[in-house]
Amino acid sequence: DIQMTQSPSSLSASVGDRVIISCRASQSIRTYLNWYQQKPGKAPKLLIFAASTLQSGVPSRFTGSASGTDFTLTISNLQPEDFATYYCQQSYSSLTFGQGTRVDNK
Amino acid sequence: QVQLQESGPGLVKPSETLSLTCTVSGASLHRGYYYWSWIRQAPGKGLEWIGYIYYSGSTNYNPSLKSRVTMSVDTSKNQFSLRLTSVTAADTAVYYCARTILGATIYFDSWGQGTLVTVSS
Repeated sequence: DIQMTQSPSSLSASVGDRVIISCRASQSIRTYLNWYQQKPGKAPKLLIFAASTLQSGVPSRFTGSASGTDFTLTISNLQPEDFATYYCQQSYSSLTFGQGTRVDNK
Repeated sequence: QVQLQESGPGLVKPSETLSLTCTVSGASLHRGYYYWSWIRQAPGKGLEWIGYIYYSGSTNYNPSLKSRVTMSVDTSKNQFSLRLTSVTAADTAVYYCARTILGATIYFDSWGQGTLVTVSS
């Protein structure tokens, strides 16, 4: 099984900050990696697919990148509506999610 | 714009079968291209993919749940369904249905609001 490890598990940030969330795969998953945002009591929302492709309608302050088995979600200029939990998800072998990274207001 | 809505009992007894239906509007299951998934989230926990189905009835299940899961599709009602047998308290979760794209990667681009299923006697 491919394990997806996100770091940190949680972080505190302020509006306007640049936030970086990492996701590491236990083996190569090429770019079969997607990112979601989930707010409390709501369904997840797709942000980025194939490691770096922005889903239609998602603000450009969200970017994704990949380097080997390491993947990064960057939120530039954090906005109030960005406080949420973020999940990575791989689809190289079956479909599994990372454990999530919670971004809260400092 | 596609919309998905989960429905089914909110309480299931241990050892019984959990049955949920997802009704899709704004997209026709029989047109193909999209797959349709079930994903769950235990209270305070992360996301777990359960499986997906195509309009033809072709399925792919999470290996960890495969022995207990059956998915089906009813294109005449534009619905797809989940059956999970022999449930335990560990199956208590919010269950989401989601539209699934098998492209350069497999991802979920539209989700239902989710329905909480509690397993308890």
